[in-house]
Amino acid sequence: QQQVKQSPQSLIVQKGGISIINCAYENTAFDYFPWYQQFPGKGPALLIAIRPDVSEKKEGRFTISFNKSAKQFSLHIMDSQPGDSATYFCAAGAQKLVFGQGTRLTINP
Amino acid sequence: NAGVTQTPKFRILKIGQSMTLQCTQDMNHNYMYWYRQDPGMGLKLIYYSVGAGITDKGEVPNGYNVSRSTTEDFPLRLELAAPSQTSVYFCASSPLSYGYTFGSGTRLTVV
Repeated sequence: QQQVKQSPQSLIVQKGGISIINCAYENTAFDYFPWYQQFPGKGPALLIAIRPDVSEKKEGRFTISFNKSAKQFSLHIMDSQPGDSATYFCAAGAQKLVFGQGTRLTINP
Repeated sequence: NAGVTQTPKFRILKIGQSMTLQCTQDMNHNYMYWYRQDPGMGLKLIYYSVGAGITDKGEVPNGYNVSRSTTEDFPLRLELAAPSQTSVYFCASSPLSYGYTFGSGTRLTVV
């Protein structure tokens, strides 16, 4: 019940397109769902997060969609840019976070 | 503010050697965590602490030990290093149990 499954493992999107990364969790006690962005050689950095009392949260070009009944949430990156090329991790938890396996996103110019 | 500082950035150990990975935060956060990152595996929790003097095991604690004598410091000790401990180690802190701030990591190779 502690797993968070993330897909796809890698994703290539054209500049200006929409990048979509999906995650599924099992533990219904989880009440915090963040996304982290990691560039090579750096630590993960918090990108955006949501709690289960809302179905969507938007910050600039980044949106989290949350489906509590399906135990799924996703990250949408609108108007994807080459600078968005990075590895993205979803996570879920309460006192401590469980991370997904990561998605390597490449935005082609 | 420095945030979360990890030292060293890189280290090569021989099998059987021991070392301590240092982690210091200057944000007065109560919660601190150690994760390891292996390719394609995401981040796995090794140990965490909810305050000075309190530590608890995470998902993959075997071969590691921690201590938390102050709010600022949370060192990770590797005893009898093994090749399976080759990984990138990240320390993180948070004011509650959310909103982690990560350090820049320690890349450890055991040969």
